[in-house]
Amino acid sequence: DAKTTQPTSMDCAEGRAANLPCNHSTISGNEYVYWYRQIHSQGPQYIIHGLKNNETNEMASLIITEDRKSSTLILPHATLRDTAVYYCIVRSRNTGGFKTIFGAGTRLFVKA
Amino acid sequence: GAVVSQHPSWVICKSGTSVKIECRSLDFQATTMFWYRQFPKQSLMLMATSNEGSKATYEQGVEKDKFLINHASLTLSTLTVTSAHPEDSSFYICSARPGQVQSSYNSPLHFGNGTRLTVT
Repeated sequence: DAKTTQPTSMDCAEGRAANLPCNHSTISGNEYVYWYRQIHSQGPQYIIHGLKNNETNEMASLIITEDRKSSTLILPHATLRDTAVYYCIVRSRNTGGFKTIFGAGTRLFVKA
Repeated sequence: GAVVSQHPSWVICKSGTSVKIECRSLDFQATTMFWYRQFPKQSLMLMATSNEGSKATYEQGVEKDKFLINHASLTLSTLTVTSAHPEDSSFYICSARPGQVQSSYNSPLHFGNGTRLTVT
């Protein structure tokens, strides 16, 4: 699976948009980009995923560059409850069977 | 939908005893479940892939005889930490993906809320 690179931490003011970047320059054609987040002491929560088109749901928007080498997760109006570690993951089928490998993620601090 | 329930949420046990953690998919069937371990201030580390009706597949460095995995039905996988030691104290998290293997290829994982194990 392609590796991803994310900033270690980011701050965001409450009510503003939080833009979390992810670099996945070695992504291949059949690999999807997934975003999860983990609030302290809880299991990860799925946010959104996409292949090449931009995606939006009730939680966030996912913007994938045309060359697919990077993406940005956008939380349009961040709240204090969005403080969490956000993981960008690129995944494809492999011999082990659909494994999802987590990197270090970005620790987002939403401040009042 | 797609709820994964994990039990217990926390457990304290004495060194040398065994602890069983259950992972259930409440509203979907899962032929494959995944077990992760997370130490403080670290990311999730995949331990093993649990396959319904067959043996689990363990990641490199994970002792299969110490971390016993049983996936007896399409909605239940269990992880048993045998002869637990203080260094096994960690946050254990399971996850599952709805559907059969091929059709669920792109489906996202759904996670349980984790089990915090403390071995004294």
